[in-house]
Amino acid sequence: QKEVEQNSGPLSVPEGAIASLNCTYSDRGSQSFFWYRQYSGKSPELIMFIYSNGDKEDGRFTAQLNKASQYVSLLIRDSQPSDSATYLCAVNKGSASKIIFGSGTRLSIRP
Amino acid sequence: EAQVTQNPRYLITVTGKKLTVTCSQNMNHEYMSWYRQDPGLGLRQIYYSMNVEVTDKGDVPEGYKVSRKEKRNFPLILESPSPNQTSLYFCASSFAGSGYGYTFGSGTRLTVV
Repeated sequence: QKEVEQNSGPLSVPEGAIASLNCTYSDRGSQSFFWYRQYSGKSPELIMFIYSNGDKEDGRFTAQLNKASQYVSLLIRDSQPSDSATYLCAVNKGSASKIIFGSGTRLSIRP
Repeated sequence: EAQVTQNPRYLITVTGKKLTVTCSQNMNHEYMSWYRQDPGLGLRQIYYSMNVEVTDKGDVPEGYKVSRKEKRNFPLILESPSPNQTSLYFCASSFAGSGYGYTFGSGTRLTVV
C-alpha cells in the first residue's frame, strides 16, 4: 500500500462545476496535510494546508480532512480552464520536514 | 523576490562523473529538502534538513549526498551518477514546524548517459 494514494485520473469536469479530488494516507500519526498544484513543466505550488478535522475554505478551494478515515479531499468550486493541472496531495510522516507526496490527480476543465 | 534557486536547470552528464546541483533560498527558511520526480512514481524525497548541520534521509537517498553548512544553501551531490538517476529534481524550503508547506525551486532536469 502506498503511503499517500490518489486516483491518477484524468478527471474531466465542465467549466463552472465543482471538481472533487481525493486522497488517502496510511500513517495515523500524520498531522499536516497539503494540496499542491503542478502545471505541466512547472514546479509544485502550495494551494492549501489543513491540520484539523473538518473543512477549510480559501476562495474557490475547500480542503476537507477526516483523520478517522485517513482521508483528505480538495474541492474546487466554479472550476476554470486555468485550474487544469495535476493536483498533489502531501502529508507529513513523523518529522514536520518529512513530507510524502501522492502521485497526483490530473484534472482537466473542459470549456 | 522570495525564491528557491536551483542550478543548473538542465544537465546532461556521463555515468560516473561527479556532479553537484546547487540550491539556495533567500527566505531564511529552516527546512530544506530535495525531491526527485519520475513519471508514475511522483515526487520522492531524497534528503531533508531541519537546520544547519542537521540532515536526514528521505525515501530514496541511495547514490546521493547532501550538506547544510549554511542556512541558505543545500547542495545535492551525486558522487558517481548512474542512468537510473536520470530524473527531474526539485529543491524546496519552508519555515520550521507543521503548517508551512514547502516552496519549490524551478527544477533541474538531469540526464545521465
